[in-house]
This record gives sequence, C-alpha cells and structure tokens, in this order.
Amino acid sequence: DQQVKQNSPSLSVQEGRISILNCDYTNSMFDYFLWYKKYPAEGPTFLISISSIKDKNEDGRFTVFLNKSAKHLSLHIVPSQPGDSAVYFCAAPTDSWGKLQFGSGTQVVVTP
Amino acid sequence: DTGVSQDPRHKITKRGQNVTFRCDPISEHNRLYWYRQTLGQGPEFLTYFQNEAQLEKSRLLSDRFSAERPKGSFSTLEIQRTEQGDSAMYLCAGTSGSSFTDTQYFGPGTRLTVL
Repeated sequence: DQQVKQNSPSLSVQEGRISILNCDYTNSMFDYFLWYKKYPAEGPTFLISISSIKDKNEDGRFTVFLNKSAKHLSLHIVPSQPGDSAVYFCAAPTDSWGKLQFGSGTQVVVTP
Repeated sequence: DTGVSQDPRHKITKRGQNVTFRCDPISEHNRLYWYRQTLGQGPEFLTYFQNEAQLEKSRLLSDRFSAERPKGSFSTLEIQRTEQGDSAMYLCAGTSGSSFTDTQYFGPGTRLTVL
C-alpha cells in the first residue's frame, strides 16, 4: 500500500533556477515528513524535515512546504546548483519506531 | 559520512546460493533498520532492531531472509537460496534516541545481483 507518492520521476532545471519537487500522501495520520537525497552508489542522505504543526521549514537553499488539507508537500531548491543533481525521496514515519515509507523518488538534473 | 558502513558494497551470486551482508552503525545507534531498494523505487522497509531485539519484519521478508543484531552492535542480513528477484540494493540505517522523528542515517548499501 503506497501511502507516499512522487508522481514526477524526473526534473530538469537550469543552474540558478528554482527546483520544485512534489510529494503526495494518503494517510492523514502522518505528522512528520522528511526529504532524503541520494547520489548513485551511495545511501540516502537526510536533507530536511517538517512537522505537521508547521507549514514551512527552511534550511539554506532548501525549503519544504506542507499543505495538510491537500496532503501535499513540496521541496524547493533555490538557487539550484549542479551538485544538487541527485534523486530526491520524500518519506514519512509510519509508526512510533520510525519505520519509514518512501516515495519512488524524483531524479533532478541541474544543467549549466 | 554518516558513520554507518556496510560490507560488501557489491555482491554477485548465482541463484540458489546463500549470501550474508553486514551493517556497522555507530555505537550510539540503538535502533537499526534494513531497507531494500529496487530500480526506480524508493527504499522499502524490511526489518528493524531496538538494540538486539528484532521488533518487526515486513511481509517482504520471506522465510529465506533472516536478520540478527547480536549485542546490539553490528547487524547481519542473510538471504538463503537466492532468487533473481532478490537483486536489489540493501540499505541499513541507524538512529539514536527514542522518537520516530529521529533522523535515520544510512550506510552506502550493498548491491546484490543474482544471476
């Protein structure tokens, strides 16, 4: 049962522009969300998170927005840099032990 | 560098063989998770440990899979009688603390190819 969905498998953006990655979830009980970044041949690296009591969390070039009524979150990267080229996963803990359910990922390519 | 290491990084085996993977988290990681990632998908939960106790196993973990975490330190994941469908990236992650919001730190993964 896929409760976290990323419907855009890929995104191409020019260096310096904004990257917007989207994620939808179906379980209204989810109250914490994370974004991970993954380079080839490496494990996922934590990027940023947001609690359901907030609608925005910012960390440098990365901002995550949460729309609880729409069950939608997005990750904004601005300005995009070539080193941001990676696969980005959104995820949510599904139990009190932190078992994560991941979306299928969005491959971001930042072109010069 | 998350401090979580996995060995081997790559494993090629023939169908029917047994394989074992190892994960070494940092000493502070009281919780350890195993995930599996196939091409084009996000990681899927397999099992997790609180110290040495295995708390849950996913239905993805058939009887051919077994995981251990003796003494609450390193962990091993064994697959018996491998099948081609077992080909995937096997990831482990560790975390300290006791909240579901604690960040999970992933190792580099073991890529398994079953011929």
